[in-house]
Amino acid sequence: AQTVTQSQPEMSVQEAETVTLSCTYDTSESDYYLFWYKQPPSRQMILVIRQEAYKQQNATENRFSVNFQKAAKSFSLKISDSQLGDAAMYFCAYRTGGSTLGRLYFGRGTQLTVWP
Amino acid sequence: DAGVIQSPRHEVTEMGQEVTLRCKPISGHNSLFWYRQTMMRGLELLIYFNNNVPIDDSGMPEDRFSAKMPNASFSTLKIQPSEPRDSAVYFCASSLWENTEAFFGQGTRLTVV
Repeated sequence: AQTVTQSQPEMSVQEAETVTLSCTYDTSESDYYLFWYKQPPSRQMILVIRQEAYKQQNATENRFSVNFQKAAKSFSLKISDSQLGDAAMYFCAYRTGGSTLGRLYFGRGTQLTVWP
Repeated sequence: DAGVIQSPRHEVTEMGQEVTLRCKPISGHNSLFWYRQTMMRGLELLIYFNNNVPIDDSGMPEDRFSAKMPNASFSTLKIQPSEPRDSAVYFCASSLWENTEAFFGQGTRLTVV
């Protein structure tokens, strides 16, 4: 069974600094997708970034980038130039791809605090 | 597009009552998920549908929970009878088969007293 592990329940960063959130996953599949979602206090789940397993290039979205290490089954999120609005719970998620497209698995989340 | 729409946003009910949560997925999306979020257990997948057909309901906690998707634009999650331990935030999400990422509604906060 696929599992997603976020080993950091809480992280903090100073405004304008860089922070990295960790995520590992367990799977025997070769075709899958990885995501980072952000959940601010409003509780809305917001997609931050996605990565296709077949792509070697790490995804980037403005200040957000990932370090995807397929062999190590690691998928970390780097937030550069942190802003107060980045404070939220961040969830790593995994989804099977191809013909077995199916359920979306989530980690337990990392609560990020941004200090001014 | 208005996004995934859930109703109600908040629901307070007495133990033993029936509760129905509603979801309208994004038009054109063919996968729909129901999740429950609690502090203790995080985000749990309850059930998901592809093309209106339930694919995996192994996350449904017990027979008190049921979900339906009568057409591509509407789904319900029903709890009957409700219990205090059902108190949680319930999310509905939808996705396109090809795109894979799920878009979430704003959730329904359910409180059973």
